Amino acid sequence: AQSVTQLGSHVSVSEGALVLLRCNYSSSVPPYLFWYVQYPNQGLQLLLKYTSAATLVKGINGFEAEFKKSETSFHLTKPSAHMSDAAEYFCAVYRGSARQLTFGSGTQLTVLP
Amino acid sequence: DSGVTQTPKHLITATGQRVTLRCSPRSGDLSVYWYQQSLDQGLQFLIQYYNGEERAKGNILERFSAQQFPDLHSELNLSSLELGDSALYFCASSPGHGTGVTGELFFGEGSRLTVL
Repeated sequence: AQSVTQLGSHVSVSEGALVLLRCNYSSSVPPYLFWYVQYPNQGLQLLLKYTSAATLVKGINGFEAEFKKSETSFHLTKPSAHMSDAAEYFCAVYRGSARQLTFGSGTQLTVLP
Repeated sequence: DSGVTQTPKHLITATGQRVTLRCSPRSGDLSVYWYQQSLDQGLQFLIQYYNGEERAKGNILERFSAQQFPDLHSELNLSSLELGDSALYFCASSPGHGTGVTGELFFGEGSRLTVL
């Protein structure tokens, strides 16, 4: 079964520092992978998606993620954190057999001034 | 604004009661998905409808049911409510029926259910 594991339920970075949020997937076939962001009191919003076209995927708000098959990882990065990046981030995988998007447990990002 | 509308935004009720949550998808989207978000279970997929028909089922309890109407809006019915049903219930929509192939889900802001 396809699933994702997010390492670290809480991550804190200083404003201007590198953001690295970790996601590992388990899949026997090339997966479709997604990163979503949830700002306080809002629904989820797509940041970026991997659908096997390119291993380095660029998303909105300066975020990007690299698909590494050898490491079964799809980590989310941003070179310089901004206060407005404070939110919860979810990695997700599409399970074709079950026709559903399965989310990880989420990582709460705090940006310190 | 995602274009997905959910009502009510907040709902407080008692154990044993029944509630209905409503979702209007983005204009033109045929698929509607329901998710439950709680602190202990995280974000759990409940059910998907595509153009009025059930398409996929996740961890939805038998006390819960959903439907999608001809105008494509959807309702999630929760009955015999228990304390553990307190959660944020999200509706999402997409144009097609395969989220992995056709792209992203567009989420509403959720309905927060509190069961006392």
